[in-house]
Amino acid sequence: GDSVTQMEGPVTLSEEAFLTINCTYTATGYPSLFWYVQYPGEGLQLLLKATKADDKGSNKGFEATYRKETTSFHLEKGSVQVSDSAVYFCAPRAYLPPTLNYGGSQGNLIFGKGTKLSVKP
Amino acid sequence: KAGVTQTPRYLIKTRGQQVTLSCSPISGHRSVSWYQQTPGQGLQFLFEYFSETQRNKGNFPGRFSGRQFSNSRSEMNVSTLELGDSALYLCASSWTGDEQYFGPGTRLTVT
Repeated sequence: GDSVTQMEGPVTLSEEAFLTINCTYTATGYPSLFWYVQYPGEGLQLLLKATKADDKGSNKGFEATYRKETTSFHLEKGSVQVSDSAVYFCAPRAYLPPTLNYGGSQGNLIFGKGTKLSVKP
Repeated sequence: KAGVTQTPRYLIKTRGQQVTLSCSPISGHRSVSWYQQTPGQGLQFLFEYFSETQRNKGNFPGRFSGRQFSNSRSEMNVSTLELGDSALYLCASSWTGDEQYFGPGTRLTVT
């Protein structure tokens, strides 16, 4: 079945360090890919997305490129801040087969276990 | 534009009871999805509603059910609560099902 593998955390970095969080997935077809972030005590926030091969999603200094050949979507940031401390989730969309009522579309998000990032001043 | 709202934010119930959680999507969004988040299992998909119809369903027992109203608001019900149902329940809305925007969640504790 569809699945996501994220690098195990926690990841602890000093402020201004370079961040990479690896993510690989298995999914039917070519799903849209997402990164979400969860701050303590809050819900998930959409960080960035990519919808097709070689697309680069970016937001708030974070970037991730849709690599079809390696089924990967690694998250990077050149210089992390203390405020980036949170849990990061990689999530492709599952494929939802067409039904009598709906055409084929992308279904639910499939989440990895999350990677906790702590940034020290 | 107001975000996704969920009520209540916190809930404590006893084993065997039932509970109903509510989710109001972003205005104009027609799809509402529910996810359960626990430390052990992580984030798992419960179900999705689109235009008042369940479009997709995860692998949860029948004790978990939901519905969506004509104004796109959604409710999730869990009957005969078990200790293992203690979790953060997250609701997400989207226009057609692509980008999903999450609410703050309802923290359910079963004692």
